[in-house]
Amino acid sequence: KAGVTQTPRYLIKTRGQQVTLSCSPISGHRSVSWYQQTPGQGLQFLFEYFSETQRNKGNFPGRFSGRQFSNSRSEMNVSTLELGDSALYLCASSFTGGPDTEAFFGQGTRLTVV
Amino acid sequence: DQQVKQNSPSLSVQEGRISILNCDYTNSMFDYFLWYKKYPAEGPTFLISISSIKDKNEDGRFTVFLNKSAKHLSLHIVPSQPGDSAVYFCAASGGGSGGSNYKLTFGKGTLLTVNP
Repeated sequence: KAGVTQTPRYLIKTRGQQVTLSCSPISGHRSVSWYQQTPGQGLQFLFEYFSETQRNKGNFPGRFSGRQFSNSRSEMNVSTLELGDSALYLCASSFTGGPDTEAFFGQGTRLTVV
Repeated sequence: DQQVKQNSPSLSVQEGRISILNCDYTNSMFDYFLWYKKYPAEGPTFLISISSIKDKNEDGRFTVFLNKSAKHLSLHIVPSQPGDSAVYFCAASGGGSGGSNYKLTFGKGTLLTVNP
């Protein structure tokens, strides 16, 4: 059974550019969540999608956006990149997104903004 | 405002002994708590969870204890093995509003090193 796949694994962008990260969940999983991991802040919740609907959003500026497609694949976009956006971006999928269902994480996309 | 706190950035334990990782939370509305383990260059993997209606959950070498009055939970690993060396994250879910069930609030993690 394939796990959660995130692409690309590594990315280097320049300040002011925009970036799109992709997440393919485990087959059958309809919930996809995104998290940002930085050394100082740990894992911080960005947003969660279920059946193409955003059900919750974290405290991030509007430059961070996401969407989910009908096949449950999800993308997140960061516009007007800042140096502080350098982080590991993790995607997690689960059947329902509730806390009683195990969430499986991908290996993440390491974004470096220069 | 950090709602889930892991006050020990690191912990070192001898193989075969008990590892105790601690976590405190401030939001009394949290109703589900989870522990994740993370190796370098990998995503976090689920370890064990506990509902707020319980005070203990056990799975093999791993036991999680919840003290709701103290807003404190702990993860016990017995016996500890070198392969347990990883960063352990405490996470909580719930919090009152409908969407809160679909969000995990994580602590900053504790690096556990189990020495042979």
